[in-house]
Amino acid sequence: QKEVEQDPGPLSVPEGAIVSLNCTYSNSAFQYFMWYRQYSRKGPELLMYTYSSGNKEDGRFTAQVDKSSKYISLFIRDSQPSDSATYLCAMSGYYGNNRLAFGKGNQVVVIP
Amino acid sequence: KAGVTQTPRYLIKTRGQQVTLSCSPISGHRSVSWYQQTPGQGLQFLFEYFSETQRNKGNFPGRFSGRQFSNSRSEMNVSTLELGDSALYLCASSSRGGERETQYFGPGTRLLVL
Repeated sequence: QKEVEQDPGPLSVPEGAIVSLNCTYSNSAFQYFMWYRQYSRKGPELLMYTYSSGNKEDGRFTAQVDKSSKYISLFIRDSQPSDSATYLCAMSGYYGNNRLAFGKGNQVVVIP
Repeated sequence: KAGVTQTPRYLIKTRGQQVTLSCSPISGHRSVSWYQQTPGQGLQFLFEYFSETQRNKGNFPGRFSGRQFSNSRSEMNVSTLELGDSALYLCASSSRGGERETQYFGPGTRLLVL
């Protein structure tokens, strides 16, 4: 079983829709949870960072962490064509340093 | 502040050759991590360097190696290239490599092995 599972299937949504992405993980020692966005031919950029269980909101983006279920989510409200990218979940804290364990990523396409 | 830079951006090699990739971290950052990204396996951690010392290593064969210089610039080397080494190689930098720190990624070097 991989440390971090993210269904890598592509997702196409109409502009203005809510995008919902999620990851599960197997190691309860992970403490820090991140979502990265990666545009084509670019490196990943940090979108959201959360620690422990709970919700965090930043503009149109909401990240949720449920440590009891080992489940994290990212919601994008009022999606825009500029949100079209690959979204990667990542987590750290198990190794005692900043070594990140990533999900495989979801390619999101927002159709105008 | 300039971001993380990686050179070259694209590289084509043949099986059996070796390759060296370079990463310049954000000014003041002393931790540099390397990741391999492939469609099949996603992003996988290769190793991390801090103050010229390898602090952590992922599950890759010994053909993958790296080093860090006194100015925090880092290089990774892959010897005896295999077709499966074709990937996007990303480096990321952070201030000290602490587990709470944000890592900033470069644009990557896309390596194609023929």
